[in-house]
Amino acid sequence: DAKTTQPNSMESNEEEPVHLPCNHSTISGTDYIHWYRQLPSQGPEYVIHGLTSNVNNRMASLAIAEDRKSSTLILHRATLRDAAVYYCILRDVSGGTSYGKLTFGQGTILTVHP
Amino acid sequence: GAGVSQSPSNKVTEKGKDVELRCDPISGHTALYWYRQSLGQGLEFLIYFQGNSAPDKSGLPSDRFSAERTGGSVSTLTIQRTQQEDSAVYLCASSGQGGGTEAFFGQGTRLTVV
Repeated sequence: DAKTTQPNSMESNEEEPVHLPCNHSTISGTDYIHWYRQLPSQGPEYVIHGLTSNVNNRMASLAIAEDRKSSTLILHRATLRDAAVYYCILRDVSGGTSYGKLTFGQGTILTVHP
Repeated sequence: GAGVSQSPSNKVTEKGKDVELRCDPISGHTALYWYRQSLGQGLEFLIYFQGNSAPDKSGLPSDRFSAERTGGSVSTLTIQRTQQEDSAVYLCASSGQGGGTEAFFGQGTRLTVV
């Protein structure tokens, strides 16, 4: 499985933008980049995904480097509710028994200060 | 139901007993995942079912753990001869096929082995 590297923790102030980085230097051409987050005492929830182009949705934006070896999740205005563990995951669709598998790393703990 | 349903939500069992954890995925989802999360830790991959393909069992920690998925829908995770180190939250997720589909998680089963 291709691996991702994220900072253990980050801090932000409420209503400020947050940029969460992820390195995935061994990404293959068929890997999708997925982001999930886990709020305290809850199961993970989907945030956003992309393949090559930058993506926007109601929750966040995903900026993907041109060589795809890194990506950044952008929360445009952090709220207290955004405090969570954020996971960057590569989803393998190359085939075999691991097709579509989601493997979570340790993630980044985001703290949002009022 | 509209989401992934797991039962029971909480399970307390005595060391050495067998337990079965159930996951009802979203209707039509071909992929089903099981993860384990110990207190304060990240998500540990256990097993992954994708359609009619052979499951990826690479994350099962020992031969006491097994899982099946009947009729491509409901899945049961069985832990035989439970040990105290098996205490954790067991999370199930399901998704459609393909790298660009999102996974939906259940609320988990909290297993406590006493």
